[in-house]
Amino acid sequence: DAKTTQPNSMESNEEEPVHLPCNHSTISGTDYIHWYRQLPSQGPEYVIHGLTSNVNNRMASLAIAEDRKSSTLILHRATLRDAAVYYCILRDGMERSQGNLIFGKGTKLSVKP
Amino acid sequence: KAGVTQTPRYLIKTRGQQVTLSCSPISGHRSVSWYQQTPGQGLQFLFEYFSETQRNKGNFPGRFSGRQFSNSRSEMNVSTLELGDSALYLCASSLNGRSTDTQYFGPGTRLTVL
Repeated sequence: DAKTTQPNSMESNEEEPVHLPCNHSTISGTDYIHWYRQLPSQGPEYVIHGLTSNVNNRMASLAIAEDRKSSTLILHRATLRDAAVYYCILRDGMERSQGNLIFGKGTKLSVKP
Repeated sequence: KAGVTQTPRYLIKTRGQQVTLSCSPISGHRSVSWYQQTPGQGLQFLFEYFSETQRNKGNFPGRFSGRQFSNSRSEMNVSTLELGDSALYLCASSLNGRSTDTQYFGPGTRLTVL
């Protein structure tokens, strides 16, 4: 699986938007970009995923660069509950591929009141 | 639907002992994966089971093993425990274990080896 690069940590103020970057310069054409997050003392949880187009759901938005070598997870209004480690993960969408996730170090997001 | 459950939540063992951890996936999910999380190595994939068969395995020694039952519940076993096995063990389930399937994680079992 291709690797991703994320900043170790980021800080945000409550109620403000947060843009979490991820670089994946060796992404292949069949790789989906997935984001998971891990709140303190919990298992990871799915946030969002996309292939080429920007995606929105109730938790976040995912902006994917045109060349797909980078992406940004956008939290529109950070809350204290969004303080977590955010993982950007590439997953090969080919049918034969199996489902284990390869986690990097992720970005630890701190949210200040 | 109930989420992924793991038992026990906390466990303390001594070196040389063995331990069995249990995971109940979301109803209807056929794939169960196990991960180890430590401060030093982060989250690492152990193995995946689908339809009672180990389908995929990470880079861990043979002391780590698992199995899956016909109801998709899974257990993992660690024999001859070492201090370095102290970690949070996470179980995740997905519908069919495909790379496009979302994985749903349990709260984990915190294992401490003394």
